[in-house]
Amino acid sequence: GNSVTQMEGPVTLSEEAFLTINCTYTATGYPSLFWYVQYPGEGLQLLLKATKADDKGSNKGFEATYRKETTSFHLEKGSVQVSDSAVYFCAIVDSNYQLIWGAGTKLIIKP
Amino acid sequence: DAGVIQSPRHEVTEMGQEVTLRCKPISGHNSLFWYRQTMMRGLELLIYFNNNVPIDDSGMPEDRFSAKMPNASFSTLKIQPSEPRDSAVYFCASRTGQGVRNEQYFGPGTRLTVT
Repeated sequence: GNSVTQMEGPVTLSEEAFLTINCTYTATGYPSLFWYVQYPGEGLQLLLKATKADDKGSNKGFEATYRKETTSFHLEKGSVQVSDSAVYFCAIVDSNYQLIWGAGTKLIIKP
Repeated sequence: DAGVIQSPRHEVTEMGQEVTLRCKPISGHNSLFWYRQTMMRGLELLIYFNNNVPIDDSGMPEDRFSAKMPNASFSTLKIQPSEPRDSAVYFCASRTGQGVRNEQYFGPGTRLTVT
């Protein structure tokens, strides 16, 4: 069945460090891929998405590229800020148009 | 638009009591989802509706849980009787259409504590 695997957290970085959160998926066909972010005490909100191979989603300085050959959608940011501290979820849409979620990765940015 | 509205934001109740969580989706959205989030199990889809009709309730943990969507602008998730293991944050989300590109919009969640 379809599944999403993302790196375990927490990931702790200093401000201005480079961020990578790995995400790989198992699915039939070419699902759309998403990163959602959950700030403390809030619901999830879409951060970025990509709908076909080699697409790059970007938002708020974050980027992720749809890599069909490696079935990956790693999240990157060149210089993180304290305000980026949150939980990040990778997700794919399955054949029933429902989201399959990764377990989430908690990101902690220290000043 | 006010976004997805959930109430209450926090609920503390005693074991055995009935709990009702409420959700108002974004106007015009025709799909609604109920999720549960815990540290142990992460984010779980409980049930979703399409055009007010329950499509998949396979994620509902047991018969103590029930969900209704009497109209396009309101849904409830009820737990009766509640148990301490039901303590979690419950999210409602809505979406327009059924396309693979359409994102889900989440409410702020209801934090439920059952003592």
